[in-house]
Formats: sequence, C-alpha cells, structure tokens
Amino acid sequence: VVMTQSPLSLPVTLGQPASISCRSSQSLVNSDGNTYLSWIQQRPGQSPRPLIYKVSDRVSGVPDRFSGSGSGTDFTLKISRVEAEDVGIYYCMQGTQWPLTFGGGTKVEIK
Amino acid sequence: EVQLVESGGGLVQPGGSLRLACAASGFTLSTYWMSWVRQAPGKGLEWVAAIKTDGTYKAYLDPVKGRFTISRDNDKNSLFLEMNSLRVEDTAVYYCARYVRTFDFWGQGTLVTVSS
Repeated sequence: VVMTQSPLSLPVTLGQPASISCRSSQSLVNSDGNTYLSWIQQRPGQSPRPLIYKVSDRVSGVPDRFSGSGSGTDFTLKISRVEAEDVGIYYCMQGTQWPLTFGGGTKVEIK
Repeated sequence: EVQLVESGGGLVQPGGSLRLACAASGFTLSTYWMSWVRQAPGKGLEWVAAIKTDGTYKAYLDPVKGRFTISRDNDKNSLFLEMNSLRVEDTAVYYCARYVRTFDFWGQGTLVTVSS
C-alpha cells in the first residue's frame, strides 16, 4: 500500500490551524472492520512518537488540538492552533496490510 | 514506564554483518508484537521487520528478506535484528518499536553505517 502525503512542507503562523492530507493506494479498512491509519510525529533530533491511531483515536497525553479524520483511502490530520512545540515532521502510517508503510512525511515549520 | 533501548549499531563494510539488540522494560514483552523501523540519513521512516508475541510469525520488507532475521527472547526481555550481507543502502538509524497496529513506543535508535 503506497501512502502519499501532501503537502511536503507546511509553513504555519503560530496560533493558526494546519492540515495534512494522506492518501492510500488501497482501502485501509481491515477485515475486522477497523481502519489502521496512524499519525506519527517526529520532532527535530528526537525519536518518532504516535499521535493518532485508528484514524481518529488520540494517544494518551496528546493535546486535543490534534485531530484525525477520514475513511477508506483519504485521511487528514488537523492541528487546530499550531504551537512552537509542533514543529517537526508528520508521517501517516498504515497497519492494515503487510508490508507496513509510511507516507513520505510533511514538514511543519513556523513562518 | 515503558522503555526500549537499542544497541549494537556501528560501522561495517559492505557484505558484513551486525546484530542489533533492543532491551525492553516497563511492560510484559511476551504480550506484544515488536518491530524494527529504520530511517536513512535525512530520509523518512521505513518499516523493516515485525515479529509476533511468541516468535511464530515474522514479516519482512522485501529488500531485507533473506538477509535480515528478527528474533526475540521474551524471558530476557529482548528483541534482536540479525543483519547479514549488508549494503550501503542499509545505512540508517534503526529503531525498535512496540507494534499494536501502530507503533506506540519507540526506542532512541542505533546508527548502522555501511561503508568501505
């Protein structure tokens, strides 16, 4: 499954919203009825960390300004009000089929 | 607190071998699938291999099939990646990650450099 993210780079003003798109080459609906689409954040110089799993479930401790939505092959990560600590690269990832695959990443930076 | 600590990276010549290890703590390793994910310098994330809770099922990225072997020792709370016939394109930071249909915990990574 090929995961395609856009945009590649996203300059955002502090306090403004941001939106990242992720499209999969096949439906990510699993035979168990779940859709295993996740969003992962990697801050500069740090290990990746999960933000969202199963399209819209927020990982414990992740601020509620992060939200995920979508279905089938089209998914979106939204940040309602960007803060300085949100700078980094965001990846979508599918866990429905082997091999597991990531999108190419979207770099979020402050204008 | 869940912790994953990788070790074993280093500089190796093309065609050489390395064995990575991941020490897990803060959770019961035997109840979780585990995985290795790599990141080439300046590039994105790439899943490499995964192993079922009891080691009876393993999955690999095509380019590493036949060269890499994932294994685990639940009694010693450890995950391993045996890498043979290494290529320049295997150069990357290798992360150990807990897999629950997403990667919910990651280690700090260990750098593998394949170069002559």
